[in-house]
Amino acid sequence: NAGVTQTPKFRVLKTGQSMTLLCAQDMNHEYMYWYRQDPGMGLRLIHYSVGEGTTAKGEVPDGYNVSRLKKQNFLLGLESAAPSQTSVYFCASSYRTSLLTGELFFGEGSRLTVL
Amino acid sequence: RKEVEQDPGPFNVPEGATVAFNCTYSNSASQSFFWYRQDCRKEPKLLMSVYSSGNEDGRFTAQLNRASQYISLLIRDSKLSDSATYLCVVNEGLTGGGNKLTFGTGTQLKVEL
Repeated sequence: NAGVTQTPKFRVLKTGQSMTLLCAQDMNHEYMYWYRQDPGMGLRLIHYSVGEGTTAKGEVPDGYNVSRLKKQNFLLGLESAAPSQTSVYFCASSYRTSLLTGELFFGEGSRLTVL
Repeated sequence: RKEVEQDPGPFNVPEGATVAFNCTYSNSASQSFFWYRQDCRKEPKLLMSVYSSGNEDGRFTAQLNRASQYISLLIRDSKLSDSATYLCVVNEGLTGGGNKLTFGTGTQLKVEL
């Protein structure tokens, strides 16, 4: 059971470099999300998608872009990395009907350090 | 004011103790409520939903007070394996569907021998 898989797990970037985080889910979930987690801040929603070909901004979208070309994949891009983007990034997915159940399935996280 | 507030802890308790965590939320229109558990350097996982009538899952009891915008989690007979960070989560819903889960910063629990 793969569930939600994120790649890469770890990455170190220099300021100004670009990179893409890949999230893949095999549960046929409609909704996918990207969160970042920082000490003392909790998990914060960056972008989300309610279906293939659609994306929307979350709470902290600046400096990030996303794409959902295929239902199972949700990509998070950093065009020009900044030290403030050093964080742990979590991808999650859910069924359309899980509004009341609240169950998001998370990937294991991607630890990004920007020097 | 944070949308979801929790005492960060840590709560250090002996094995077998009963421990309670509290959480308050600011959006009175929030639709549903949950507790997630996050082990060190792992992803969050759903522990249980929280209903106004109160609900139990084994040693865990969750309560919701909508009037006070207050959520609680009670853990009885604590086990070493309960050591984790407990995240209070509020679902406000997203325009067009889906979950907008707002996470508290978490309360750390350490259960000791």
